[in-house]
Amino acid sequence: SYELTQSPSVSVSPGQTARINCSGVLPKQYVHWYQQKPGQAPVLVIYKDEKRPSGIAERFSGSSSGTTVTLTISGVQAEDEADYYCQSTDSNPSMVFGGGTKLTVL
Amino acid sequence: QIALKESGPALVKPTQTLTLTCSFSGFSLNTSGVGVSWIRQSPGKALEWLALIYWNDDKRYNPSLKNRLTITKDASKDQVVLTMTNMDPVDTATYYCAHRPRDWGFAVDSWGQGTLVTVSS
Repeated sequence: SYELTQSPSVSVSPGQTARINCSGVLPKQYVHWYQQKPGQAPVLVIYKDEKRPSGIAERFSGSSSGTTVTLTISGVQAEDEADYYCQSTDSNPSMVFGGGTKLTVL
Repeated sequence: QIALKESGPALVKPTQTLTLTCSFSGFSLNTSGVGVSWIRQSPGKALEWLALIYWNDDKRYNPSLKNRLTITKDASKDQVVLTMTNMDPVDTATYYCAHRPRDWGFAVDSWGQGTLVTVSS
């Protein structure tokens, strides 16, 4: 079955740049990114690889290179500590989520 | 402003059928391109997509759960219903419904608060 792979965890100090990768993306399929804080519903932070919904801070950006897509958080703040999930689609199309990456702000 | 809210039983017994309702406002399921998805999350686990229904009644299901899921809509009531048969303790999870906007790929941009369903005898 189709899977998206994410590193389980990433740690950065405040003010640094965090990069969270998502691999296994099928060609020509968009990737979207969600932030989820404990006890809360996920929030969409990037859609269509690199677009930012209104209200999402500019420090969140997305990029794509081949089958790996990256969520970059520049100037990480303590409030960015959360789980981050990538999501894409297969040929069906069915939606698929990655396993999630826990971002720790040291 | 889009809002969604899930409702249904908090506790179901093994082998029972779960019925969840998503009540929404701020958009119409009669609008071309719009959809509503169901997504769940077992405690401490990743998100898992379950099903999607479009404005035109086209439906998509997670292949691994397809035989157990049915998604329907009542656009006049602004509701989407998900049924899952033969519930098992491993189906214990928070179930979310979410809005899929037109032209955003398959992203979902608004989520309900989620409803926790526990499967136990």
